[in-house]
Order: sequence, then structure tokens, then C-alpha cells
Amino acid sequence: QVQLVQSGAEVKKPGASVKVSCKASGYPFSSHGLSWVRQAPGQGPEWMGWISAYYNGSTKYAEKFQGRVTMTTDTPTNTAYLELRSLRTDDTAVYYCARHRYGANMFDYWGQGTLVTVSS
Amino acid sequence: DIVMTQSPDSLAVSLGERATINCKSSLSLFYSSDNRNYLAWYQQKPGQPPKLLIYWASSRESGVPDRFTGSGSGTDFTLTISSLQAEDVAVYYCQHYYNAPWTFGQGTKVEIK
Repeated sequence: QVQLVQSGAEVKKPGASVKVSCKASGYPFSSHGLSWVRQAPGQGPEWMGWISAYYNGSTKYAEKFQGRVTMTTDTPTNTAYLELRSLRTDDTAVYYCARHRYGANMFDYWGQGTLVTVSS
Repeated sequence: DIVMTQSPDSLAVSLGERATINCKSSLSLFYSSDNRNYLAWYQQKPGQPPKLLIYWASSRESGVPDRFTGSGSGTDFTLTISSLQAEDVAVYYCQHYYNAPWTFGQGTKVEIK
């Protein structure tokens, strides 16, 4: 069965960086794009960006995160990574990886989420 | 960016009664070349990630009960729960996937009256 398993919770200070991983299993990793979506406490989901696991890691980032975010994949281990730099307190959120349905951009499988807390 | 606006923000419905959630997009989500509306609905329960319920505005995801129905076209969409069950208590989100950035509505919280 399809599974996306994310790394554990992180606590960071303002100005630091965080790297979250998402290990995929149960499907051909290179056949589906992955997005990262975050959700601040009590808020709706916010799309951060997309990475193709097929086209040599082609990416598309939301304008809000341009310059602060990097998404990568490691195909041999079926793992995707999200790195967010220059963290601020309002980056405190649960970060999800989400798989794109083949040939479309709805999110059919989600990781369990990684809580990133940014606090001084 | 396409803005997604849901209404109401919350609603309380008696068990077995109908729940209706609306979603309006700031731009048409209908793509004439394939005759599809690029709109999905998700259900999120506390402590869980969102779960895909409906895609292409009206196609039910495998395993989703048939009491969940998506309808609408263009800029106006509706999610209907025909007979609310206790396990349907959740927050529901619409999301467009017409073009990036793929944005979500603010959510509608469904509770039992």
C-alpha cells in the first residue's frame, strides 16, 4: 500500500534552518510528483511547492517561499526533502508531503505530518 | 493566484440530516479542452492529514461513502453530505488544481447539532 512516512518533530530557533524528510513506499517513486503543504495551528493548508520525482527533480515553489525553500529528492531511497531556511516564529506549523495523483494535481496520499516549532 | 472562499465557516447538523458546504473560486476552474473542473474536496479530522474525498469536482475517491457528493462547475461548487454520520465530524476543504499555486479554501467545520 502507498505510504509516505515523514521525519519527526523539530524545534528550531528563529533564523535557523530545518530539513524534513518524506520516505515513499508502495508505488513507483518516479511516477508521481510530490508537494509540500503546511498547516499553521487552526489554519487551512498552504501549498509550498512541488517537485517532480521524474524530471530530474524539476521544482515549482510558491512565490511566498522563493529564496527560502529547497525541495529535493533522493531516488535510490525514494525520499523527498524539504529545507526551509531563515525560520521565523510564524513558520511554526505541521508540514506535510502529499503525492500527486498520476497525471493530475490533486493530492491522493499524504504523510502523517511533521510539527516544526520555531521559538526563541 | 486563484482565491478559494468557502461558506459557511462552520455548521451544525443533526445526525441523519443533510450538510451542504459551498466553495467559490475567484477564477473559473473549468478547462474546456478536457471538459473538467479542476476542484477537489478533502476531509480533515483532528491530528490527521487531509483525506481526498472528491476530485474533478464530482468524482468520488475510492472507498468514500456515497453520502458524499460533489457538484458545481466554473466558479461555484458544493459538497453535500446527504445523511450526516458521527464519523463525518471534521473540517472540510476545497482545493483547486487548475494552475499553480494550488490553493485551498479556509475550511468549513462540520459538527453535530
